[in-house]
Amino acid sequence: EDQVTQSPEALRLQEGESSSLNCSYTVSGLRGLFWYRQDPGKGPEFLFTLYSAGEEKEKERLKATLTKKESFLHITAPKPEDSATYLCAVLGGSARQLTFGSGTQLTVLP
Amino acid sequence: NAGVTQTPKFQVLKTGQSMTLQCAQDMNHEYMSWYRQDPGMGLRLIHYSVGAGITDQGEVPNGYNVSRSTTEDFPLRLLSAAPSQTSVYFCGSGDRGREFFGPGTRLTVL
Repeated sequence: EDQVTQSPEALRLQEGESSSLNCSYTVSGLRGLFWYRQDPGKGPEFLFTLYSAGEEKEKERLKATLTKKESFLHITAPKPEDSATYLCAVLGGSARQLTFGSGTQLTVLP
Repeated sequence: NAGVTQTPKFQVLKTGQSMTLQCAQDMNHEYMSWYRQDPGMGLRLIHYSVGAGITDQGEVPNGYNVSRSTTEDFPLRLLSAAPSQTSVYFCGSGDRGREFFGPGTRLTVL
């Protein structure tokens, strides 16, 4: 059974204070690891797909990295508009369905 | 493009009532899905479809029915609502993993 654990559950940062969110996973044959952003009262918004260990993707102040056991979402010099819940999901070897983590709620204070 | 639309946004049901949550997409995606999101549990897949006339069960299908008669529409039916079905429901379309999500339906079952 595929499993995804995200940490921390909540993170408060000052504007400009860089940090990382963690996504640990157990999956049989990783087909893809996905990061989403979810704003309150809205549906998740796709950010990145990572397929193999060592891969990195960047978008503005966000950079996602992948190892064989975990993924990190690095946030560099965050702004208040980066406040959201960040979700991680994996697609395993059976490729039938995604398994989501419970998310990290990020708050960036001005 | 409207993307993925869901109706209604909010719904209150009594135990035993039935209802249909509507989902439509205008991106000509073959893959569509329904998830439920509960506090602390992330998104869980209820049902999905890989094209018109083809549906399959996800992780938590009990108490829900789906059908896919057109590429655009993927309604979710609650047969006999139970308090355990109180949740936020998201419809998605796209590729498995890289999905566009609707704004959600917040359902309360009393």
